[in-house]
Amino acid sequence: SQQGEEDPQALSIQEGENATMNCSYKTSINNLQWYRQNSGRGLVHLILIRSNEREKHSGRLRVTLDTSKKSSSLLITASRAADTASYFCATDAWNNDMRFGAGTRLTVKP
Amino acid sequence: NAGVTQTPKFQVLKTGQSMTLQCAQDMNHEYMSWYRQDPGMGLRLIHYSVGAGITDQGEVPNGYNVSRSTTEDFPLRLLSAAPSQTSVYFCASGPMGTEETQYFGPGTRLLVL
Repeated sequence: SQQGEEDPQALSIQEGENATMNCSYKTSINNLQWYRQNSGRGLVHLILIRSNEREKHSGRLRVTLDTSKKSSSLLITASRAADTASYFCATDAWNNDMRFGAGTRLTVKP
Repeated sequence: NAGVTQTPKFQVLKTGQSMTLQCAQDMNHEYMSWYRQDPGMGLRLIHYSVGAGITDQGEVPNGYNVSRSTTEDFPLRLLSAAPSQTSVYFCASGPMGTEETQYFGPGTRLLVL
């Protein structure tokens, strides 16, 4: 069964706008990771946030983690057409069995 | 570094045939894993390995075998292909299990008729 669930399933925005995607999970975790997948390609790692961290930044990406609500969010600021992709959250629960959500499909219109 | 490589890129099988999907990494990672991705879904873990000679089952292991004789290679074997195994298969590796970043290969698209 999937551990993480992304919301929304699909998101369409204009270039320059911000995009926010949410991930909820069910069990305690060691860390949560966000990945991007361009159509027909492999996954690319974006950010890893550990259970004792609340926020991390990487360039235009900002990730938050709320372990009390078992949720995380990924914010992409000043989006570009090249950000069009599917975004997945994945959770690690100390058991080498990483669970992925079904993903959010982001479309950024030029 | 080539990273994680997978062969073949695309394969068509008939029901009942067997085949091996190849995965190799040149980053000296101890952890390697296989996932399958079905349309509209996230990745589901098939098998993983934390080092040469050590393998374990993931969420959906039935119908698949793995072995890990070297640090670099982690082949996935389909014993008797079924249409339900039509999917895109991704191999990944990481330096410290799932506690760190995972590096994914480009995928193998498998069609079972």
